[in-house]
Amino acid sequence: AQSVAQPEDQVNVAEGNPLTVKCTYSVSGNPYLFWYVQYPNRGLQFLLKYITGDNLVKGSYGFEAEFNKSQTSFHLKKPSALVSDSALYFCAVRDFSGYALNFGKGTSLLVTP
Amino acid sequence: KAGVTQTPRYLIKTRGQQVTLSCSPISGHRSVSWYQQTPGQGLQFLFEYFSETQRNKGNFPGRFSGRQFSNSRSEMNVSTLELGDSALYLCASSDAGPANTGELFFGEGSRLTVL
Repeated sequence: AQSVAQPEDQVNVAEGNPLTVKCTYSVSGNPYLFWYVQYPNRGLQFLLKYITGDNLVKGSYGFEAEFNKSQTSFHLKKPSALVSDSALYFCAVRDFSGYALNFGKGTSLLVTP
Repeated sequence: KAGVTQTPRYLIKTRGQQVTLSCSPISGHRSVSWYQQTPGQGLQFLFEYFSETQRNKGNFPGRFSGRQFSNSRSEMNVSTLELGDSALYLCASSDAGPANTGELFFGEGSRLTVL
């Protein structure tokens, strides 16, 4: 089965510093990978996706992610964190049995002033 | 374009009751999927519908059911509610066309509390 893992429950970073939220994947074949963000009491918002092509994917709100096939990772990054980036971040992989996404457990990002 | 609309946003039920949640997808999207989100289990896939047919189903008991109408609107039903069914239920839609790359667009969710 296609799956992703987010090894960190929480990531703390100071405003202005770079941030990284980690994700590793386990798939057969080529993965379709996604990052979503969730603010309190809201639905999930799409940030970016990797389907094929360049390993560095740029997305919304200044976020980017690097696909690394040898390390089976798809880490989310941002050069300079904002307090407003504080939220729950989910990595996901498309399930090839259908159009479902399999999500990681989520990483809570806290950006402090 | 309007986003995915879910109703109701909040509801409280008691054990043994049933509940129906509604989802209106983005105009033109024919695929609707449902996810359950809880603090303990995270986001879990319930089922996915395309053109009124269930194409994919997650590992949930038969108390959880859904359907999709000809206008792509979808409903999910949970019967004989249990305390553990308290969760945020998220609906997502996609265009699911030939160029579909799996991106889902989510609604704000329906928060169900079972007492």
